Amino acid sequence: NAGVTQTPKFQVLKTGQSMTLQCAQDMNHNSMYWYRQDPGMGLRLIYYSASEGTTDKGEVPNGYNVSRLNKREFSLRLESAAPSQTSVYFCASRPPEGWYEKLFFGSGTQLSVL
Amino acid sequence: QKEVEQNSGPLSVPEGAIASLNCTYSDRVSQSFFWYRQYSGKSPELIMSIYSNGDKEDGRFTAQLNKASQYVSLLIRDSQPSDSATYLCAVSFTGNQFYFGTGTSLTVIP
Repeated sequence: NAGVTQTPKFQVLKTGQSMTLQCAQDMNHNSMYWYRQDPGMGLRLIYYSASEGTTDKGEVPNGYNVSRLNKREFSLRLESAAPSQTSVYFCASRPPEGWYEKLFFGSGTQLSVL
Repeated sequence: QKEVEQNSGPLSVPEGAIASLNCTYSDRVSQSFFWYRQYSGKSPELIMSIYSNGDKEDGRFTAQLNKASQYVSLLIRDSQPSDSATYLCAVSFTGNQFYFGTGTSLTVIP
């Protein structure tokens, strides 16, 4: 089992460019999450998906869109990248067994917007 | 107001001392509480979870939860240099929302 796989690991964009961050999990988890991490800011929730076909906004959704393509995959799209979106992005998933379950994290994507 | 708040530190303790990390959370309906450790350049890793009021101990780590005060803490006994990391408090709210605090940077001085 690979767990949670994020691609790419590194990306440099120019302001105004678009891109999609991919995330896939092979653990049959229902819930998936996208976070961004900036220095001194902890992890801030961008969007989450409680189950296939549903998505909800988190703390900082502006400038992002998401797609829960199927149970395995949850992608994050930047339509017009801005320097303020320079960050490390983490995808996570959570088992369906109960409210007590922890998050499983991917290895992160380092994104720089110039 | 943020859903989860932590003192950002940095916190420095000598090797062998007790490190105390604190976290408060909003008055929304919360279900479960977690402490994650994150080394620089790495993903967060779970070190403790707690669900009911009181203390929970696991080796050198003790988590404490007080739901009436909306407060959760982590004690690290006999701190080691390898404990130097950022510690993130996380709270799971109803509706499967999972929020993190800003993290506390801990340095254990040999």
